Amino acid sequence: QVQLQESGPGLVRPSETLSLTCSVSGASINNYYWSWIRQPPGKGLQWIGYVHYTGNTIYNPSLKSRVTITIDTSRTQFSLRLYSVTAADTAIYYCAREGGDDNYFHYWGQGSLVTVSS
Amino acid sequence: QLVLTQSPSASASLGASVKLTCTLDSGHSNNAIAWHQHQPVKGPRFLMKLNSDGRHIKGDGIPDRFSGSSSGAERYLIISSLQSEDEADYYCQTWGTGIRVFGGGTKLTVL
Repeated sequence: QVQLQESGPGLVRPSETLSLTCSVSGASINNYYWSWIRQPPGKGLQWIGYVHYTGNTIYNPSLKSRVTITIDTSRTQFSLRLYSVTAADTAIYYCAREGGDDNYFHYWGQGSLVTVSS
Repeated sequence: QLVLTQSPSASASLGASVKLTCTLDSGHSNNAIAWHQHQPVKGPRFLMKLNSDGRHIKGDGIPDRFSGSSSGAERYLIISSLQSEDEADYYCQTWGTGIRVFGGGTKLTVL
């Protein structure tokens, strides 16, 4: 059973960096794309970006200048860093793994609420 | 530009059936999509991948009450024998080279 679990601080100060890690269990981290997705309060889902197990990344153009996603295959985890955050970055952040046959989100984490506030 | 359009809300009675619609933009009418269920305070759950020809592959443990179909640029999620736990937000999702896109979501109320 593939399981993903987000972890990281629940509160980040404005202008600082949001950092989250997704720990993967029950499956190899190789041969898949791994994404971060967020949901601001009262809004829908927004894809942030993905990292391939090779380390290649693609980001949502709306966030590209402030995002870095990295992967650590030895520790079966991948991470999100979002720089210069504002209150608009307050959201539940989810990690997800894509299907091996196509680019749908097959497995999801439970989510991690991050609040940006001073 | 890759765009998915969903109605913001839908409702149906307990035990009835409901059909949710996701519409692809005209330039991507042959895209496959995925349907995800998002219940309150839970992570989203993958329901199925749905192709343009209506063939669909469901996620682990998804009941037979959930099915999908397609017509042109429209992709449907059909839920039969509605149960109270089906009350949730439903999102469609698609993809292209280097891009992943969600529809705005449909909030389903079970009456």
